[in-house]
Amino acid sequence: DTAVSQTPKYLVTQMGNDKSIKCEQNLGHDTMYWYKQDSKKFLKIMFSYNNKELIINETVPNRFSPKSPDKAHLNLHINSLELGDSAVYFCASSLGLAGTYNEQFFGPGTRLTVL
Amino acid sequence: QKEVEQNSGPLSVPEGAIASLNCTYSDRGSQSFFWYRQYSGKSPELIMFIYSNGDKEDGRFTAQLNKASQYVSLLIRDSQPSDSATYLCAVIGNSGNTPLVFGKGTRLSVIA
Repeated sequence: DTAVSQTPKYLVTQMGNDKSIKCEQNLGHDTMYWYKQDSKKFLKIMFSYNNKELIINETVPNRFSPKSPDKAHLNLHINSLELGDSAVYFCASSLGLAGTYNEQFFGPGTRLTVL
Repeated sequence: QKEVEQNSGPLSVPEGAIASLNCTYSDRGSQSFFWYRQYSGKSPELIMFIYSNGDKEDGRFTAQLNKASQYVSLLIRDSQPSDSATYLCAVIGNSGNTPLVFGKGTRLSVIA
């Protein structure tokens, strides 16, 4: 059973398009995250949700809009895609937010290429 | 700006040797410390976490934490070629609304 799953695994699209990435976790965790890993492999938090509530929004352009329909799902919608959005996007989940509950489990990643 | 610093490497060690990976962090209020392993093209995988000063051992892995020096390290004993990967140090404060901050990772190469 896959603990944290993402779809699609690969996404190739033109500049200016709108696209969505979906994430689901079956671990029963309360907290979910989106990370961006750029070409230099630097992994940076974008958003975190706890019990469907937005907790962290790390100065991400408002073209990126996360949506959490329930605790097990956190989707990422990106409007007006730009070349600089090309990266690998990872979803992750953890039992909770702080301290000992913040052991995060990552999905397989979505490689987004904007042409 | 909270920062986590790691030597990017590559760190090359012969098979069977001890690999030592180091990480320093800027936020003195940091409480929880994690080591993730990331194989090329794969997602990060948690291998160790540590919360208290001192050493924590798990199989061939030992995490060491020194909060006074704001330093955390990972030792891998009897290194194997399958340990070749990028190791990411991650640090978080104790407040629920602070993000996990990752270092840029150290690439380890274990040579057979």
